[in-house]
Amino acid sequence: DGGITQSPKYLFRKEGQNVTLSCEQNLNHDAMYWYRQDPGQGLRLIYYSQIVNDFQKGDIAEGYSVSREKKESFPLTVTSAQKNPTAFYLCASSMKSGAVTDTQYFGPGTRLTVL
Amino acid sequence: SQQGEEDPQALSIQEGENATMNCSYKTSINNLQWYRQNSGRGLVHLILIRSNEREKHSGRLRVTLDTSKKSSSLLITASRAADTASYFCATDENGGFKTIFGAGTRLFVKA
Repeated sequence: DGGITQSPKYLFRKEGQNVTLSCEQNLNHDAMYWYRQDPGQGLRLIYYSQIVNDFQKGDIAEGYSVSREKKESFPLTVTSAQKNPTAFYLCASSMKSGAVTDTQYFGPGTRLTVL
Repeated sequence: SQQGEEDPQALSIQEGENATMNCSYKTSINNLQWYRQNSGRGLVHLILIRSNEREKHSGRLRVTLDTSKKSSSLLITASRAADTASYFCATDENGGFKTIFGAGTRLFVKA
């Protein structure tokens, strides 16, 4: 899992609550990403950030929000507007977004369950 | 629809056998990557092949790329029980910023 950490490992949320998932990296990477993975499925991009104080929506951004105030940190908030938030959430970073040979390094993931 | 689609969806083999997984994609690409995911864990990068390369090796891994057919294959030779995992291909759609992941092939290696 390299130098990228996610917390908590497991998270339970009641309907109507917002929750924030933490992602920190010490790899000095410019770019960071949030993905959602449903059982037996691939990864779908929620948000990505190429540089501090800048981020873009991915394919499934509705009901989610992010911030990138520090290079090392890219927290994801799952809001009450996300209708089906139960999933496995993966954070990743890469040296520089948009580079042709950009390899992503992944955290261990957070499993979110809505009760 | 997904940019990268793996085939088969699941594969079960005996230890020592070779495992071959295929990936097809739809648009032009600059590179294609293969990642591995153990159950309930993050993804780990295995190998990257550029669009001007046809074959690449890394240990027991062999990756081929056929841009005319928009397809790639990952071969794991002499498989081990520890190779049991899901394997994903990932591409940069039309050479853009985003990396697009397929749904993965679930490999089970029986000891």
